Amino acid sequence: RKEVEQDPGPFNVPEGATVAFNCTYSNSASQSFFWYRQDCRKEPKLLMSVYSSGNEDGRFTAQLNRASQYISLLIRDSKLSDSATYLCVVSGGYNKLIFGAGTRLAVHP
Amino acid sequence: GAVVSQHPSWVICKSGTSVKIECRSLDFQATTMFWYRQFPKQSLMLMATSNEGSKATYEQGVEKDKFLINHASLTLSTLTVTSAHPEDSSFYICSDSRDPSWDEQFFGPGTRLTVL
Repeated sequence: RKEVEQDPGPFNVPEGATVAFNCTYSNSASQSFFWYRQDCRKEPKLLMSVYSSGNEDGRFTAQLNRASQYISLLIRDSKLSDSATYLCVVSGGYNKLIFGAGTRLAVHP
Repeated sequence: GAVVSQHPSWVICKSGTSVKIECRSLDFQATTMFWYRQFPKQSLMLMATSNEGSKATYEQGVEKDKFLINHASLTLSTLTVTSAHPEDSSFYICSDSRDPSWDEQFFGPGTRLTVL
């Protein structure tokens, strides 16, 4: 079993749609959780951190369920510029990060 | 602006040659930096943790004699791929951790290595 699992997609959605990504992780001791965005042939960039209480940043909402070891990302009112691969990332101790393989999102006009 | 730089951004080399990739932490003294590798359509995989002034810590399955890491200063870590082969062709990315209490990392722009 992979340490961080994501649906690879692709998710093809029209502009304005709401889309949700899910992620599960295997290490119950993980303490930090993130969503990163990666554009084609570029480095990952932090989108948002994920807290147990849930957090929102504009059109993006992230949720963490520690009991189920499950993380989600909701994107509302999708824009063309949201097209990218979204990486679920979990801390692995000793400042290490463990990356999921990513979920690809394609927003079309 | 960028907080971590990498050089070169891409490199093409012949099989059997060695390639050095530099990772610089800008305006931050990084005692720890990380090297990742990403194959197409796969996740970033941590290769090693680079420690300033001491030996790097390699992940299981990563050959330390093939991937030489040097972290001689607080702002520079280098990864040398020795005797590169086509299967080493990949996207190599470094990062530094500026807030150890929170695990967040800042990534360099990556180096795309193609070995012919």
